[in-house]
Amino acid sequence: QKEVEQNSGPLSVPEGAIASLNCTYSDRGSQSFFWYRQYSGKSPELIMFIYSNGDKEDGRFTAQLNKASQYVSLLIRDSQPSDSATYLCAVNPPGGSYIPTFGRGTSLIVHP
Amino acid sequence: ETGVTQTPRHLVMGMTNKKSLKCEQHLGHNAMYWYKQSAKKPLELMFVYSLEERVENNSVPSRFSPECPNSSHLFLHLHTLQPEDSALYLCASSHGQGSYEQYFGPGTRLTVT
Repeated sequence: QKEVEQNSGPLSVPEGAIASLNCTYSDRGSQSFFWYRQYSGKSPELIMFIYSNGDKEDGRFTAQLNKASQYVSLLIRDSQPSDSATYLCAVNPPGGSYIPTFGRGTSLIVHP
Repeated sequence: ETGVTQTPRHLVMGMTNKKSLKCEQHLGHNAMYWYKQSAKKPLELMFVYSLEERVENNSVPSRFSPECPNSSHLFLHLHTLQPEDSALYLCASSHGQGSYEQYFGPGTRLTVT
């Protein structure tokens, strides 16, 4: 059973702080990892993907992958109220499958 | 048109009606997906098509019937739905090989009365 676990939150951070969102996965050997942002009533939007161990930075967002510990994180620096949304972690299993398993998502609230 | 489009955006139907949801992707992708998202629940994968062939069917009731006439278009035919089928129905597409990130359409908000 492939599992992707996320704390449902809500995670509440003040404006300007660093928000740290975590995701663990059960399928060792998974190759591709994605973070999606979903505003209330809207569809998910891809914001980051990472394939290799280590950090990947894109603007205020940093994805961190640790395959040995089977977790992937998303850091949002200088959090803004507009970052308030649900963040979905998705993991593609090994073997070249393009069908991801999604976590339940973490709700982030950035308060002024 | 760019990205992934879905029509209609909102749909209200009675339990005896028949309707269809349409999805079109303009990204040159090979794989297309239907997801259901109910209030306060995670995404539920319903169907996956790769190169117009169904590769996944996640125990979805037969009142939902997918159709993929070509790699750019995906339909979800609905008949004799139940009130618990009210949800946001999302279409997504991906390359299917090599890069797996999915791009979602705006969704169809379905209400079954």
